[in-house]
This record gives sequence, structure tokens and C-alpha cells, in this order.
Amino acid sequence: NAGVTQTPKFRILKIGQSMTLQCTQDMNHNYMYWYRQDPGMGLKLIYYSVGAGITDKGEVPNGYNVSRSTTEDFPLRLELAAPSQTSVYFCASSGGTGRAPLHFGNGTRLTVT
Amino acid sequence: KQEVTQIPAALSVPEGENLVLNCSFTDSAIYNLQWFRQDPGKGLTSLLLIQSSQREQTSGRLNASLDKSSGRSTLYIAASQPGDSATYLCAVLPRVSNFGNEKLTFGTGTRLTIIP
Repeated sequence: NAGVTQTPKFRILKIGQSMTLQCTQDMNHNYMYWYRQDPGMGLKLIYYSVGAGITDKGEVPNGYNVSRSTTEDFPLRLELAAPSQTSVYFCASSGGTGRAPLHFGNGTRLTVT
Repeated sequence: KQEVTQIPAALSVPEGENLVLNCSFTDSAIYNLQWFRQDPGKGLTSLLLIQSSQREQTSGRLNASLDKSSGRSTLYIAASQPGDSATYLCAVLPRVSNFGNEKLTFGTGTRLTIIP
């Protein structure tokens, strides 16, 4: 049971480039989340999904997009990367009623230069 | 807006000591409070979840308490070991939320170092 898997682990982008951060979970969880973690700051929610085909904005959605075509996958798309998007990105999922404990992936460390 | 504070930001204690990590929150109308552990370069691992109706939860050497009226939670670690070294974060889910964790507010964490 792999849990939540994120790829890549590290990535360096130039300003203006685009990329997709991949996230997949094998626990059949309906709820999935994307967070960013900046030094000295708490985790901030970017986007979330309550099931396949349903997504919604979190606290800091600008510059990002998501899709949820299957229960397992929840990719995060960065368009026109900016230095402000340099961060560590975490994908998480939760099952049951949705308020169950979160399961996190190991993160993607992204640098935009 | 809910604010979650964890003080101190870093703590070092000798191996074998019992220790307490603190978490405070500004809005007592919560659904649950969660404690997580984060190892360097890794994601967060859920340790304990306390429902608003509960006063404490225990798992092995860990005990988390909740006092909603004072807006405080503590994580007690007994007989600390070097393997306990990590960053510990708390997070609060408000009572008024939809069906998931989308309104979970995280603290910035306490980085714990256990000295052998």
C-alpha cells in the first residue's frame, strides 16, 4: 500500500515555464488536497477536491489549476511560473466522511528562477 | 479568522526526558484538532486527532490534550528518544466547515531535537 505518491521530488523551473505536479493515491479516498509550505509559514491550501469531477479553490489558488478525472489522481498545474511559486508542495487525501486524518505525500520541492 | 500558534519554534531536550509541546488557537468553535509529525524532506504524518467533545487522546508515548475554553492543546511525549526528533505541527478544523478538511488551519510547528 503506497499511500499518496507525488512526482517529481525536485524541480527547477525558469520564469514563465509551466509544469504539472503529479499526485496519486491508492486508498480510494474521495477527498484530496494540494498545499504549499513556505519557510516559517503554516501550510496553505491551494485547491481541493471532494470526488472525481469536483474541484474547488482553497486559500491561495492564483497561478494554479487542478483537475480530478479519476478518484486516484489529482494533478496540480502551474502556468507561467513565477518566483513567488518557489515552495514545497504537498498533496494529501482523507477518507471516510472527509474529516478523517490527512495522509500526505512526501512533497515536491519547486524552485522558480 | 482562526489563528494557530506554536511556541517555541524550536526545542532541544536530553534523551529520556518527558516534554510538552504547545498549540494555541484563537477561535474555540472547533470540530477537531490534529497533531502531525514532519521529518526533514518528508510529508506530514498524522499522530493524534482529538474531537471537540474529547479532552485527550493517547497513542503509545504520546498524549494530546484539548482545552477549548482556553484555546489550548498540548502534546506530551514521555521518555523522549532521538527518533522523536522532528517538527510537530498542530492543525485546527473549525466547526463551521463543509464535509472535509478544506478549512484546516495549521500552525507553523515546533522543531524538536532530542539530544542523545
